[in-house]
Amino acid sequence: DQQVKQNSPSLSVQEGRISILNCDYTNSMFDYFLWYKKYPAEGPTFLISISSIKDKNEDGRFTVFLNKSAKHLSLHIVPSQPGDSAVYFCAETSNTGKLIFGQGTTLQVKP
Amino acid sequence: NAGVMQNPRHLVRRRGQEARLRCSPMKGHSHVYWYRQLPEEGLKFMVYLQKENIIDESGMPKERFSAEFPKEGPSILRIQQVVRGDSAAYFCASSPLRGQGPETQYFGPGTRLLVL
Repeated sequence: DQQVKQNSPSLSVQEGRISILNCDYTNSMFDYFLWYKKYPAEGPTFLISISSIKDKNEDGRFTVFLNKSAKHLSLHIVPSQPGDSAVYFCAETSNTGKLIFGQGTTLQVKP
Repeated sequence: NAGVMQNPRHLVRRRGQEARLRCSPMKGHSHVYWYRQLPEEGLKFMVYLQKENIIDESGMPKERFSAEFPKEGPSILRIQQVVRGDSAAYFCASSPLRGQGPETQYFGPGTRLLVL
């Protein structure tokens, strides 16, 4: 049974510093892990993904790391900006394409 | 190209009434996924539909919930005899074709259902 867990409900960092959001999974059966960003009263928007055959993917200020032996992935945001304040969800794909989401981590970036 | 549309954005129902949530996918998209987000939780998959077919309904409650995606018109998520526990945000996502990468699920803004 696929499960994705985000054990930190919230994170607060200072503007300009690094934000590190963590995610653990139980079974990696399929192709991709993803991070979504969600503002209040809006739907999630795709941020970055990583293939299960890679250990790192970078896109601008966002980098995702995958540690398959530990069944752990993390999202690094550097430098953090106040506009990054949002809820971040990690998700795993499945055989039918549905996404399996973690509980989310609320990031607050203080000016 | 308009994004995924959902309406209504907010819906208030009394216990025992019916709720109908609509989702218009992006133009050219034939795959629709419905997710539910309960307060303080992540999004949970409910159902995956293609035009006129239910592909995966493993996340749908066994009773009172149904979904359709007709040949013409939006996808509908229907909740009969609503209870307070149905209060949640319901999101749909659309996709043009499976197999083109995970980022191709585009989410709508959601419908916030409140059951009094």
